[in-house]
Amino acid sequence: DTAVSQTPKYLVTQMGNDKSIKCEQNLGHDTMYWYKQDSKKFLKIMFSYNNKELIINETVPNRFSPKSPDKAHLNLHINSLELGDSAVYFCASSQDLRTSGLYNEQFFGPGTRLTVL
Amino acid sequence: GQQLNQSPQSMFIQEGEDVSMNCTSSSIFNTWLWYKQDPGEGPVLLIALYKAGELTSNGRLTAQFGITRKDSFLNISASIPSDVGIYFCAGLVVVDSNYQLIWGAGTKLIIKP
Repeated sequence: DTAVSQTPKYLVTQMGNDKSIKCEQNLGHDTMYWYKQDSKKFLKIMFSYNNKELIINETVPNRFSPKSPDKAHLNLHINSLELGDSAVYFCASSQDLRTSGLYNEQFFGPGTRLTVL
Repeated sequence: GQQLNQSPQSMFIQEGEDVSMNCTSSSIFNTWLWYKQDPGEGPVLLIALYKAGELTSNGRLTAQFGITRKDSFLNISASIPSDVGIYFCAGLVVVDSNYQLIWGAGTKLIIKP
Protein backbone atom coordinates (compact mmCIF):
# COMPACT_ATOMS: atom_id res chain seq x y z
CA ASP A 1 0.00 0.00 0.00
CA THR A 2 1.21 3.47 -0.85
CA ALA A 3 1.86 5.47 2.32
CA VAL A 4 1.49 8.96 0.84
CA SER A 5 -0.26 9.25 -2.50
CA GLN A 6 -0.83 12.24 -4.74
CA THR A 7 -2.99 12.76 -7.79
CA PRO A 8 -2.44 13.60 -10.51
CA LYS A 9 1.19 12.66 -11.20
CA TYR A 10 1.35 15.13 -14.09
CA LEU A 11 -0.73 18.24 -14.68
CA VAL A 12 -0.44 20.42 -17.77
CA THR A 13 -2.66 23.47 -17.95
CA GLN A 14 -3.00 26.97 -19.35
CA MET A 15 -2.25 30.20 -17.57
CA GLY A 16 -5.21 31.58 -15.68
CA ASN A 17 -6.81 28.21 -14.98
CA ASP A 18 -7.67 26.88 -11.54
CA LYS A 19 -6.43 23.43 -10.57
CA SER A 20 -6.26 21.12 -7.58
CA ILE A 21 -3.81 18.48 -6.42
CA LYS A 22 -4.96 15.84 -3.98
CA CYS A 23 -2.97 14.12 -1.26
CA GLU A 24 -3.81 11.25 1.01
CA GLN A 25 -1.77 9.45 3.66
CA ASN A 26 -2.61 6.12 5.32
CA LEU A 27 0.09 6.29 8.00
CA GLY A 28 -2.16 7.67 10.70
CA HIS A 29 -0.05 10.82 10.89
CA ASP A 30 -1.35 14.03 12.37
CA THR A 31 0.73 16.46 10.32
CA MET A 32 0.78 16.98 6.57
CA TYR A 33 2.81 19.32 4.39
CA TRP A 34 3.01 20.76 0.92
CA TYR A 35 6.40 21.49 -0.62
CA LYS A 36 7.35 23.11 -3.92
CA GLN A 37 10.45 21.96 -5.77
CA ASP A 38 11.54 24.30 -8.51
CA SER A 39 13.72 23.62 -11.55
CA LYS A 40 16.86 24.12 -9.44
CA LYS A 41 15.60 21.35 -7.13
CA PHE A 42 15.25 23.62 -4.10
CA LEU A 43 12.71 22.10 -1.72
CA LYS A 44 10.58 24.81 -0.13
CA ILE A 45 7.86 24.23 2.41
CA MET A 46 4.60 25.97 1.58
CA PHE A 47 2.12 24.81 4.19
CA SER A 48 1.86 22.52 7.18
CA TYR A 49 -1.37 21.26 8.71
CA ASN A 50 -1.78 19.47 12.01
CA ASN A 51 -5.09 17.72 12.59
CA LYS A 52 -6.76 19.92 9.97
CA GLU A 53 -5.33 23.09 11.51
CA LEU A 54 -2.90 25.29 9.59
CA ILE A 55 0.36 25.61 11.55
CA ILE A 56 2.83 26.81 8.92
CA ASN A 57 2.09 29.17 6.09
CA GLU A 58 5.24 30.36 4.44
CA THR A 59 5.24 33.32 2.11
CA VAL A 60 3.05 31.86 -0.58
CA PRO A 61 0.70 33.79 -2.88
CA ASN A 62 -2.89 33.65 -1.69
CA ARG A 63 -3.76 32.01 -5.00
CA PHE A 64 -2.61 28.85 -3.22
CA SER A 65 -5.09 27.51 -0.72
CA PRO A 66 -4.69 24.23 1.15
CA LYS A 67 -7.77 22.38 2.30
CA SER A 68 -7.82 19.56 4.81
CA PRO A 69 -11.18 17.76 5.01
CA ASP A 70 -9.73 15.32 7.56
CA LYS A 71 -6.31 14.55 8.95
CA ALA A 72 -5.59 11.95 6.25
CA HIS A 73 -6.08 14.40 3.39
CA LEU A 74 -4.50 17.70 2.43
CA ASN A 75 -5.44 19.09 -0.96
CA LEU A 76 -3.85 22.05 -2.69
CA HIS A 77 -5.95 24.42 -4.76
CA ILE A 78 -4.28 26.90 -7.06
CA ASN A 79 -6.23 29.74 -8.65
CA SER A 80 -5.25 31.83 -11.66
CA LEU A 81 -2.20 29.74 -12.49
CA GLU A 82 0.94 31.59 -13.61
CA LEU A 83 3.99 30.42 -15.56
CA GLY A 84 6.10 30.63 -12.40
CA ASP A 85 3.90 28.06 -10.70
CA SER A 86 5.43 25.35 -12.89
CA ALA A 87 7.25 23.02 -10.52
CA VAL A 88 6.99 19.66 -8.79
CA TYR A 89 4.72 19.76 -5.76
CA PHE A 90 5.28 17.23 -2.98
CA CYS A 91 2.91 16.27 -0.24
CA ALA A 92 4.41 14.80 2.94
CA SER A 93 3.23 13.62 6.32
CA SER A 94 4.74 13.00 9.72
CA GLN A 95 3.81 12.46 13.32
CA ASP A 96 2.85 15.61 15.17
CA LEU A 97 6.08 17.62 15.54
CA ARG A 98 4.92 18.85 18.90
CA THR A 99 4.76 15.31 20.32
CA SER A 100 7.39 13.48 18.26
CA GLY A 101 9.72 16.40 18.83
CA LEU A 102 13.23 15.75 17.66
CA TYR A 103 12.37 12.25 16.44
CA ASN A 104 10.46 13.32 13.39
CA GLU A 105 10.53 11.69 9.96
CA GLN A 106 8.60 13.04 7.03
CA PHE A 107 7.23 10.65 4.43
CA PHE A 108 6.89 12.10 0.97
CA GLY A 109 4.49 11.39 -1.85
CA PRO A 110 5.76 10.78 -5.40
CA GLY A 111 5.17 14.38 -6.45
CA THR A 112 2.95 16.15 -8.97
CA ARG A 113 4.69 17.81 -11.89
CA LEU A 114 2.73 20.94 -12.77
CA THR A 115 3.40 22.61 -16.11
CA VAL A 116 1.73 25.91 -16.85
CA LEU A 117 1.71 26.91 -20.53
CA GLY B 1 16.25 33.02 10.25
CA GLN B 2 18.14 29.74 10.24
CA GLN B 3 19.82 28.72 7.01
CA LEU B 4 21.69 25.64 5.92
CA ASN B 5 24.56 25.75 3.45
CA GLN B 6 24.85 22.43 1.67
CA SER B 7 27.84 21.63 -0.50
CA PRO B 8 28.77 20.72 -3.06
CA GLN B 9 25.82 21.63 -5.24
CA SER B 10 26.58 18.73 -7.56
CA MET B 11 29.15 15.97 -7.92
CA PHE B 12 30.30 14.03 -10.95
CA ILE B 13 32.10 10.87 -9.86
CA GLN B 14 33.17 7.51 -11.20
CA GLU B 15 31.49 4.36 -10.00
CA GLY B 16 33.40 2.96 -7.05
CA GLU B 17 34.57 6.33 -5.75
CA ASP B 18 33.79 7.60 -2.28
CA VAL B 19 31.52 10.63 -1.90
CA SER B 20 31.44 13.29 0.76
CA MET B 21 28.98 16.14 1.23
CA ASN B 22 28.19 18.43 4.13
CA CYS B 23 25.86 20.98 5.60
CA THR B 24 26.87 23.92 7.72
CA SER B 25 25.03 26.65 9.52
CA SER B 26 25.67 29.56 11.83
CA SER B 27 22.83 28.24 14.01
CA ILE B 28 22.70 25.28 16.36
CA PHE B 29 20.48 22.36 15.43
CA ASN B 30 18.94 19.68 17.64
CA THR B 31 18.58 16.99 14.98
CA TRP B 32 20.19 16.45 11.60
CA LEU B 33 18.46 14.43 8.91
CA TRP B 34 19.75 13.21 5.57
CA TYR B 35 17.26 12.44 2.81
CA LYS B 36 17.74 11.06 -0.69
CA GLN B 37 15.53 11.85 -3.66
CA ASP B 38 15.64 9.37 -6.51
CA PRO B 39 14.80 10.74 -9.97
CA GLY B 40 11.03 11.15 -10.29
CA GLU B 41 10.34 10.32 -6.65
CA GLY B 42 9.92 12.08 -3.34
CA PRO B 43 12.73 12.30 -0.75
CA VAL B 44 13.25 9.35 1.59
CA LEU B 45 14.97 9.51 4.97
CA LEU B 46 18.41 7.84 5.01
CA ILE B 47 19.89 8.71 8.37
CA ALA B 48 18.79 10.67 11.43
CA LEU B 49 21.25 12.10 13.98
CA TYR B 50 20.16 13.23 17.42
CA LYS B 51 23.19 14.30 19.42
CA ALA B 52 26.44 16.14 18.92
CA GLY B 53 29.29 13.87 17.83
CA GLU B 54 26.96 11.03 16.88
CA LEU B 55 28.24 8.89 14.01
CA THR B 56 25.68 6.66 12.33
CA SER B 57 25.94 4.24 9.44
CA ASN B 58 23.35 2.82 7.07
CA GLY B 59 25.07 0.34 4.79
CA ARG B 60 27.66 2.23 2.74
CA LEU B 61 26.40 5.54 4.11
CA THR B 62 27.87 7.23 7.16
CA ALA B 63 26.73 10.51 8.64
CA GLN B 64 27.95 12.54 11.58
CA PHE B 65 26.41 15.22 13.76
CA GLY B 66 29.09 17.88 14.25
CA ILE B 67 30.42 18.56 17.73
CA THR B 68 29.44 22.22 17.51
CA ARG B 69 25.90 21.15 16.43
CA LYS B 70 26.25 23.52 13.52
CA ASP B 71 27.22 21.01 10.85
CA SER B 72 26.82 17.49 9.56
CA PHE B 73 28.39 15.42 6.84
CA LEU B 74 27.33 12.42 4.79
CA ASN B 75 29.78 9.99 3.24
CA ILE B 76 29.02 7.30 0.70
CA SER B 77 31.65 4.65 0.18
CA ALA B 78 32.24 2.74 -3.06
CA SER B 79 29.47 4.45 -4.99
CA ILE B 80 27.22 2.41 -7.28
CA PRO B 81 24.84 3.53 -10.05
CA SER B 82 21.76 3.47 -7.81
CA ASP B 83 23.34 6.12 -5.58
CA VAL B 84 22.42 8.68 -8.25
CA GLY B 85 19.97 11.26 -6.98
CA ILE B 86 19.72 14.39 -4.90
CA TYR B 87 20.77 14.29 -1.27
CA PHE B 88 19.21 16.78 1.13
CA CYS B 89 20.26 17.64 4.63
CA ALA B 90 17.64 18.99 7.00
CA GLY B 91 18.08 20.39 10.47
CA LEU B 92 15.49 20.44 13.21
CA VAL B 93 15.61 23.37 15.57
CA VAL B 94 13.44 24.52 18.45
CA VAL B 95 12.46 28.17 18.27
CA ASP B 96 10.18 29.58 20.98
CA SER B 97 8.94 26.06 21.79
CA ASN B 98 8.14 25.47 18.11
CA TYR B 99 9.95 22.87 16.05
CA GLN B 100 11.19 24.03 12.67
CA LEU B 101 12.69 21.88 9.96
CA ILE B 102 15.18 23.73 7.76
CA TRP B 103 16.24 22.18 4.45
CA GLY B 104 19.53 22.41 2.59
CA ALA B 105 19.55 23.13 -1.14
CA GLY B 106 20.57 19.58 -2.05
CA THR B 107 23.60 17.87 -3.56
CA LYS B 108 23.04 16.26 -6.94
CA LEU B 109 25.10 13.11 -7.37
CA ILE B 110 25.86 11.99 -10.92
CA ILE B 111 27.87 8.88 -11.64
CA LYS B 112 29.90 8.84 -14.82
CA PRO B 113 29.68 5.59 -16.77
